Amino acid sequence: EAEVAQSPRYKITEKSQAVAFWCDPISGHATLYWYRQILGQGPELLVQFQDESVVDDSQLPKDRFSAERLKGVDSTLKIQPAELGDSAMYLCASSLSWTEIINEQFFGPGTRLTVL
Amino acid sequence: QKEVEQNSGPLSVPEGAIASLNCTYSDRVSQSFFWYRQYSGKSPELIMSIYSNGDKEDGRFTAQLNKASQYVSLLIRDSQPSDSATYLCAVNFGNEKLTFGTGTRLTIIP
Repeated sequence: EAEVAQSPRYKITEKSQAVAFWCDPISGHATLYWYRQILGQGPELLVQFQDESVVDDSQLPKDRFSAERLKGVDSTLKIQPAELGDSAMYLCASSLSWTEIINEQFFGPGTRLTVL
Repeated sequence: QKEVEQNSGPLSVPEGAIASLNCTYSDRVSQSFFWYRQYSGKSPELIMSIYSNGDKEDGRFTAQLNKASQYVSLLIRDSQPSDSATYLCAVNFGNEKLTFGTGTRLTIIP
């Protein structure tokens, strides 16, 4: 069964350190999303890629966060330096294409980040 | 600002009964709607998608959409303890990204 892969599943780091998360979308899915979910809230979009291009990064804190999808397949999200408020679940999702009428997004297992 | 509202719950339903989850949204120009199930500590799992007014059924799940009243609901028939989870409503407001509600926590009582 096709799934979105993410690693690591859990990450504990100290503030001011750098962290990186990796995502491999479902094969053939052109659109990739990174979300952040704080406990008790719904996921919030950080960045959206169509192939290797950024479609929307308006909610990405660009002073410390960066994301890339160099070959249009897998993607990396980086935080440098991490802050206490970055503790959350980081979710990757993919879909066939954001131009579809019903753009069904499928999530990976997520990375639980704890910043100490 | 485009918003998606859900009652946070918890909503408690006896096993075998119908669970009804509701979601309202702020913008009439909304294209598609999604229900996700999220178990504690896990990632969201897509259950249903709908974009036309009316009902859409899939097994024990029925999604209902009323664009004039700006609400979408999810019915779960013959509720099982394994249905206990948080249910997230998500809306595509036509800008090709999803806006999520805060979720409704559902508990099925054996």
